[in-house]
Amino acid sequence: NAGVTQTPKFQVLKTGQSMTLQCAQDMNHNSMYWYRQDPGMGLRLIYYSASEGTTDKGEVPNGYNVSRLNKREFSLRLESAAPSQTSVYFCASSAWDSVYNSPLHFGNGTRLTVT
Amino acid sequence: RKEVEQDPGPFNVPEGATVAFNCTYSNSASQSFFWYRQDCRKEPKLLMSVYSSGNEDGRFTAQLNRASQYISLLIRDSKLSDSATYLCVVNPPQKLVFGQGTRLTINP
Repeated sequence: NAGVTQTPKFQVLKTGQSMTLQCAQDMNHNSMYWYRQDPGMGLRLIYYSASEGTTDKGEVPNGYNVSRLNKREFSLRLESAAPSQTSVYFCASSAWDSVYNSPLHFGNGTRLTVT
Repeated sequence: RKEVEQDPGPFNVPEGATVAFNCTYSNSASQSFFWYRQDCRKEPKLLMSVYSSGNEDGRFTAQLNRASQYISLLIRDSKLSDSATYLCVVNPPQKLVFGQGTRLTINP
């Protein structure tokens, strides 16, 4: 059972380059999330998708775009990478019925460095 | 006031000690509560959900106090392998909020 799968695991970009982080879950969860975590810091929500067809901004959305391609897949795009976006990115999913949220299941993370 | 606040770390305790963390939340409408464990440079992993009646899983006990709006995690007979960062997660309506995390180091 794969759970939440993120690709790539590592990426180095130059300032101004673009890239898309891919995330897929096989647990039939309706909600998916993208977080970033900087060294010594907590997780900060970038964007989330409560259900297929909807996306909403989180705490730190600037510089990012997302696409909920279908129920399984939720991608994060950096259109013009900046050194401030150097971070570890985690995708997560959960089952959410608008009141109760099941625990989040996380992918292994993508370590992104922008030079 | 932050939506979720955790005890400031780091905690350094000897092996075998009992250690407790608290996590306070501001939204009284919060419905779900969780404790996660995160090892260095790894993804957070669910340690336990927190139920109204309190729950125990081996050496770990989680409790919820709705009146004072906090959750707690108690680790008994701590092991070296318990060294990690512990994150509380609270579910106010329509979102999940993570605490900053508390770093725990168990010393031999």
